[in-house]
Amino acid sequence: GAGVSQSPSNKVTEKGKDVELRCDPISGHTALYWYRQSLGQGLEFLIYFQGNSAPDKSGLPSDRFSAERTGGSVSTLTIQRTQQEDSAVYLCASSLEMTGTTGELFFGEGSRLTVL
Amino acid sequence: AQKVTQAQTEISVVEKEDVTLDCVYETRDTTYYLFWYKQPPSGELVFLIRRNSFDEQNEISGRYSWNFQKSTSSFNFTITASQVVDSAVYFCALIEWNYGGSQGNLIFGKGTKLSVKP
Repeated sequence: GAGVSQSPSNKVTEKGKDVELRCDPISGHTALYWYRQSLGQGLEFLIYFQGNSAPDKSGLPSDRFSAERTGGSVSTLTIQRTQQEDSAVYLCASSLEMTGTTGELFFGEGSRLTVL
Repeated sequence: AQKVTQAQTEISVVEKEDVTLDCVYETRDTTYYLFWYKQPPSGELVFLIRRNSFDEQNEISGRYSWNFQKSTSSFNFTITASQVVDSAVYFCALIEWNYGGSQGNLIFGKGTKLSVKP
């Protein structure tokens, strides 16, 4: 697609339920990133994929969070047993190359998660 | 500790005024990159600029200019003759090449909300 697409754009769920957030990166972008934007907390790096591989998962806030990427394209961020502190906007970004070299990140509009 | 500080949480100006957004960073790395992103109300962050730690030349792009000073660890952003469309949240970010940089670990400041009134 023309840009990074995320779904759902808004999700309201009850505490304890599982949620899945989807990211469809720009076609041809090999790198994919998940960030979380919480009110008053700024943007927090969660995880990075190069192809289907996530070399470092230490940015994920807890073991309730997991992410996968298949076919070098779509990625899913799953939050199990959601808690109220998980409420945030989850932003996905993609790039042609790793950000430290020549690429810049292209962000989606985010998925706003509200846990009641 | 590595971090990015944007001391101004909100700025309000009147159209055509110049405005400078401050960014101060701390890093443990000698090789790093600095970024500015714009987040309009739609929520999608838009890349504005990237500078590396070896290039202190200031940059101008239209009404936007950036002043990178390693001596003060600052990377300030100036909008000249501001317009209503400039209203957004602006984020400064840092990537440390030898500490997660290869994994896209951007360290963001908390952002400055700019409101430009007509």
